[in-house]
Amino acid sequence: GAVVSQHPSRVICKSGTSVKIECRSLDFQATTMFWYRQFPKQSLMLMATSNEGSKATYEQGVEKDKFLINHASLTLSTLTVTSAHPEDSSFYICSARFQAAPYEQYFGPGTRLTVT
Amino acid sequence: AQKVTQAQTEISVVEKEDVTLDCVYETRDTTYYLFWYKQPPSGELVFLIRRNSFDEQNEISGRYSWNFQKSTSSFNFTITASQVVDSAVYFCALSGWDSWGKLQFGAGTQVVVTP
Repeated sequence: GAVVSQHPSRVICKSGTSVKIECRSLDFQATTMFWYRQFPKQSLMLMATSNEGSKATYEQGVEKDKFLINHASLTLSTLTVTSAHPEDSSFYICSARFQAAPYEQYFGPGTRLTVT
Repeated sequence: AQKVTQAQTEISVVEKEDVTLDCVYETRDTTYYLFWYKQPPSGELVFLIRRNSFDEQNEISGRYSWNFQKSTSSFNFTITASQVVDSAVYFCALSGWDSWGKLQFGAGTQVVVTP
C-alpha cells in the first residue's frame, strides 16, 4: 500500500523560531498533498492544499505567511511554521494522493509540535 | 457547505459489547464520498472505509460493519464484540465531488473499551 512519512515525528522549539516539517510519499508520486492541524481532543482541520509545482491553496483563516508550504517535487511537501508561538503547538498531519485516484488519500503519521 | 456531525463525544463499553457510532452529514453535492478513520493514541490515522454516494450497500469487514442511508444522510459504524484494541477516536469524514479529495471531518467519537 501507499506509504506517507513525516519528519520529524516530534519537535520542540522556542517561541519566535521557525520549524520545518517534511511530508514524503515513499512509493508513489503525489500530485496533491494536504496539511491538517489537530489540537488536543479536537478534530482535524484542513489548513492547505499543496499541488506539485504550484502555490498552495490555504483555507480561510490560515495565515499563509505564517505557514509556508512548498511542494517542490512529486514526493515531497514541506510545511514551515515561521515565528512559532505557543498557540501553534499542535499535531500536524499531512496526506497525499495521486491524480488518478483523487479520493484515495494516504495519511502520514503526524508531527507533534510544541512551542515553548 | 459541507458538514459532518458526530453527536457522540465518548462511548464507554465493556469488552465484547457492540458499539455503534453515529455519523450524519450534510452536502449539496449529488456525488460525494464518505469515510471512517480510526485514530489510536499514537495519533496516526487508520483508514477503515470509503463509500461513494451511489453505493448504498451495507458493508461488513470482520467485526466492523457500516450502514449507509442516504434518506437520512447517515453513515453509521458498528463494532461487534468490541475489544480493548478498539479503544480509539473514530472520525467520520466527507469529501464532495468538487473537493478533489479535501476532507471535512466530524468532531470524532472517543471509544473506550474496558476489559
